[in-house]
Amino acid sequence: GDSVTQMEGPVTLSEEAFLTINCTYTATGYPSLFWYVQYPGEGLQLLLKATKADDKGSNKGFEATYRKETTSFHLEKGSVQVSDSAVYFCALSRNTGNQFYFGTGTSLTVIP
Amino acid sequence: SAVISQKPSRDICQRGTSLTIQCQVDSQVTMMFWYRQQPGQSLTLIATANQGSEATYESGFVIDKFPISRPNLTFSTLTVSNMSPEDSSIYLCSVAGRTGNYGYTFGSGTRLTVV
Repeated sequence: GDSVTQMEGPVTLSEEAFLTINCTYTATGYPSLFWYVQYPGEGLQLLLKATKADDKGSNKGFEATYRKETTSFHLEKGSVQVSDSAVYFCALSRNTGNQFYFGTGTSLTVIP
Repeated sequence: SAVISQKPSRDICQRGTSLTIQCQVDSQVTMMFWYRQQPGQSLTLIATANQGSEATYESGFVIDKFPISRPNLTFSTLTVSNMSPEDSSIYLCSVAGRTGNYGYTFGSGTRLTVV
């Protein structure tokens, strides 16, 4: 069945460091891929998405490219800030139907 | 995208009691979803709430434990019944965009602690 495998954390980085959080998926067909962010004490927010192969989603300096050949959707940011400290979830959904699959989440802490 | 108001935002409850969580959406939506996020874990879908019909529960979740109401297209409730400490989690409601391409919008969650 469909699933998402996400890099385990926690991840601790210094401010201005480069961030990569790996995400791979298993799915038939062509799912849509998402990254969600959960700041401390808050609900999930959609960070970015990509709906077809080779699409690049971007928002707030974060980017992820939908790679069908490697079934991956890795999250990257060139220079993290303390305010990026949060838990990041990779997810996929079918373009039809309602099932939505989340990875286990990766906790990121950015230290000054 | 839709705006979701969820309440209460947090509660501490005694074991054996029940808590009803409310989810209000600012637009009409066909399907609403309830998720559980146990401490340190990812989200698990509890059920899908359709207006005018019984909710559809995922494996491991039953209506007697998590009854859901969906009286109209903008509102739903989830009740956590006969609570035990194992029910301590964050509960989130969610609605889908027009299609799966648009992702889900989540409420801010209800942080439940059962003592």
